[in-house]
Amino acid sequence: GDSVTQMEGPVTLSEEAFLTINCTYTATGYPSLFWYVQYPGEGLQLLLKATKADDKGSNKGFEATYRKETTSFHLEKGSVQVSDSAVYFCALSDRSSYKLIFGSGTRLLVRP
Amino acid sequence: NAGVTQTPKFQVLKTGQSMTLQCAQDMNHEYMSWYRQDPGMGLRLIHYSVGAGITDQGEVPNGYNVSRSTTEDFPLRLLSAAPSQTSVYFCASSYTDVGTGNSPLHFGNGTRLTVT
Repeated sequence: GDSVTQMEGPVTLSEEAFLTINCTYTATGYPSLFWYVQYPGEGLQLLLKATKADDKGSNKGFEATYRKETTSFHLEKGSVQVSDSAVYFCALSDRSSYKLIFGSGTRLLVRP
Repeated sequence: NAGVTQTPKFQVLKTGQSMTLQCAQDMNHEYMSWYRQDPGMGLRLIHYSVGAGITDQGEVPNGYNVSRSTTEDFPLRLLSAAPSQTSVYFCASSYTDVGTGNSPLHFGNGTRLTVT
């Protein structure tokens, strides 16, 4: 079945460092891809999305490009802040599905 | 506009007890779902509903029941709690089909359940 694989965390960075969180997927169709973020004590919220190959999703300085050839959707940010500390989840959904399939999550810790 | 409201925030049960986790949304969303979050496993779908009176099973439905009598409410019932059901439970809703990406999932803040 469809699945999402994320790099294990935690990822610890200093403020203003470059961030990459890897995400690869397995899907039989042409899924939509998402990054969700979970701040401490809260539910998840959508960070960005891409619905077709070569689309780039972006929000709050974060970016991810839908790469069909490598089945990847890596999350990047050029300069992280302490307030970016959270757990990041990669997810996919088949276009005809009411189900979102999540990766295991990657915890990011940003030190001042 | 409260969004998705889950109650209670914390609950401790003994093995064999039953309880209902409440979920309500005020956004007139047709789609509602329940996930459980366990360390290292991400979120796994328990049950979902595409409208009042319609429910379906997700990835891990055993031990849980749901019903959807109104658009606003989607309670999750644990029939006979087991230690394996110790987890954080999230309710999420969406205006329509999540697959196209046009309507993101809105999550509640979660219920932390411990079964001893």
